[in-house]
Amino acid sequence: DQQVKQNSPSLSVQEGRISILNCDYTNSMFDYFLWYKKYPAEGPTFLISISSIKDKNEDGRFTVFLNKSAKHLSLHIVPSQPGDSAVYFCAASSSYNFNKFYFGSGTKLNVKP
Amino acid sequence: DTGVSQNPRHKITKRGQNVTFRCDPISEHNRLYWYRQTLGQGPEFLTYFQNEAQLEKSRLLSDRFSAERPKGSFSTLEIQRTEQGDSAMYLCASRKTGSQETQYFGPGTRLLVL
Repeated sequence: DQQVKQNSPSLSVQEGRISILNCDYTNSMFDYFLWYKKYPAEGPTFLISISSIKDKNEDGRFTVFLNKSAKHLSLHIVPSQPGDSAVYFCAASSSYNFNKFYFGSGTKLNVKP
Repeated sequence: DTGVSQNPRHKITKRGQNVTFRCDPISEHNRLYWYRQTLGQGPEFLTYFQNEAQLEKSRLLSDRFSAERPKGSFSTLEIQRTEQGDSAMYLCASRKTGSQETQYFGPGTRLLVL
């Protein structure tokens, strides 16, 4: 029973354009969401997070949007750079048990020069 | 901040053998987590420690798996009588206690059971 879903296994974007990665969740108790980036042979690296009291959080080129009614979040990367090519994981947790993160299956982003 | 370290980075073993992995968390982080990641999937929670106490275990953690954190610093994950289905990346993460904060991951140990 996958509570966090990333339905696009891969995404290809031209350098300089916007990358939009999507994530859906089913558990309405989730109130903290994160995006991680993973390069081959490395562990996931934290990118950006958002609490459910917000609907947007921005950090440089990265912005996460949260739509609680739709149980949907997205990560926007503007402008995309070749170094952004990696697998991106969405994760969620609940303040009732914030030690347990639930991850999506990842989206592989390829930014073409 | 030296980050989370894991050893070994790779392990190849024969079915039925025991293996042990080690994780050294970020020094001031008192919470430590183990995850398993299989091909094409995201990390799946296995267990976590607050200091030396193991506070939660996933049903994924069968009887053949045991994790320890004896002094509240490094942790070990042992798999006994390995099976081919145990082949995966085993990730360790750590976090400071307190409010919701992110978990910081190590590079993982990739296990291949032949």
